[in-house]
Amino acid sequence: AQSVTQLDSHVSVSEGTPVLLRCNYSSSYSPSLFWYVQHPNKGLQLLLKYTSAATLVKGINGFEAEFKKSETSFHLTKPSAHMSDAAEYFCVVRINTGGFKTIFGAGTRLFVKA
Amino acid sequence: GAVVSQHPSRVICKSGTSVKIECRSLDFQATTMFWYRQFPKQSLMLMATSNEGSKATYEQGVEKDKFLINHASLTLSTLTVTSAHPEDSSFYICSARPTTQGYEAFFGQGTRLTVV
Repeated sequence: AQSVTQLDSHVSVSEGTPVLLRCNYSSSYSPSLFWYVQHPNKGLQLLLKYTSAATLVKGINGFEAEFKKSETSFHLTKPSAHMSDAAEYFCVVRINTGGFKTIFGAGTRLFVKA
Repeated sequence: GAVVSQHPSRVICKSGTSVKIECRSLDFQATTMFWYRQFPKQSLMLMATSNEGSKATYEQGVEKDKFLINHASLTLSTLTVTSAHPEDSSFYICSARPTTQGYEAFFGQGTRLTVV
């Protein structure tokens, strides 16, 4: 079965410190992987995506993620958190099983303290 | 920035009736639009991919005869929930991919459907 697990429902960091949002997936197919962000009262925005090219993917707003096939992980990182990063983050896996299937993680709420 | 507008934001309908949800890209053209569904306390589920001028591609397990999708122009896609039942009550979200970009980027605010 295919699945996406975001390991933390909530993450709290201080402004200026690194951010790590963890995502593991389970799939017997080669996946495409995405991270989306949702700010309060706004729609989802694509941060970055991996589709079998470079394993280290750089996205918008200083975020990046590394695809590690051996660990089936696609963790999202940022060197220095900003107050505006406080939001809900979703890890997404898309696979082709003879028809496409897109699976969203449950989300991780990021809190940034001043 | 690019704006995607959904209408209505909330709708209540009677069981057995049909309801239409609109998704519009306000300041860009979108060859491709996507429809998602979110159950309470669960994550988003992609239902279908809609391409302007052609039939939608549905994800596995989604009933295409129940969830009718029409993408008649580069700025409008509609989702019609036919013969709605209480179990269709959910939060429906669309996203639109700008024709000039290679990946989906802009989401609507969502529509809360309640079937009574």
